[in-house]
Amino acid sequence: SQKIEQNSEALNIQEGKTATLTCNYTNYSPAYLQWYRQDPGRGPVFLLLIRENEKEKRKERLKVTFDTTLKQSLFHITASQPADSATYLCALDGGNDMRFGAGTRLTVKP
Amino acid sequence: GAGVSQSPRYKVAKRGQDVALRCDPISGHVSLFWYQQALGQGPEFLTYFQNEAQLDKSGLPSDRFFAERPEGSVSTLKIQRTQQEDSAVYLCASSLESEHSYEQYFGPGTRLTVT
Repeated sequence: SQKIEQNSEALNIQEGKTATLTCNYTNYSPAYLQWYRQDPGRGPVFLLLIRENEKEKRKERLKVTFDTTLKQSLFHITASQPADSATYLCALDGGNDMRFGAGTRLTVKP
Repeated sequence: GAGVSQSPRYKVAKRGQDVALRCDPISGHVSLFWYQQALGQGPEFLTYFQNEAQLDKSGLPSDRFFAERPEGSVSTLKIQRTQQEDSAVYLCASSLESEHSYEQYFGPGTRLTVT
């Protein structure tokens, strides 16, 4: 069956460190993958999209990699700040729709 | 408005009641999606519109769920004879392009509690 796994339910790191979040999937062949941020009581906010023919994408302090052989995406936040604390969701092109992982709750401690 | 809006933000319904949830997408956005999000989970796809056409409703959990977008802008998700398992946050998202590869803009959601 199709699965999207974000391997940590929660991740706690110290301010200034790099946060690395993982998204693994099985039985999908997505043309693209997206990462979203969700704060409590709010809808997800788009961060980055990476296509299957791209290995890496960067935006300011964010970096996403996409390995279609390993069926894995890594999401990095460098020089993390307490304001980066939120839940981060990966989402795959599921054909007619987008499929989301359960999310990883990141807490950045000052 | 600058973003996607949803109303009401909170809805409490007694089991068996019908509810209607409204979504106002960003003006000019072709695609509109509805998702259901349970506590601690990611959004689960319900249905997708391209303009007024409902192109995919495979995620609707039962025939008690019905969605429409008659003029290609505002959409309504209706749930008939609500059950406790329908309690969740219902998210609406819109997207500028008709392909699914473009970013989706989400509303704040409607939290439905069925008692």
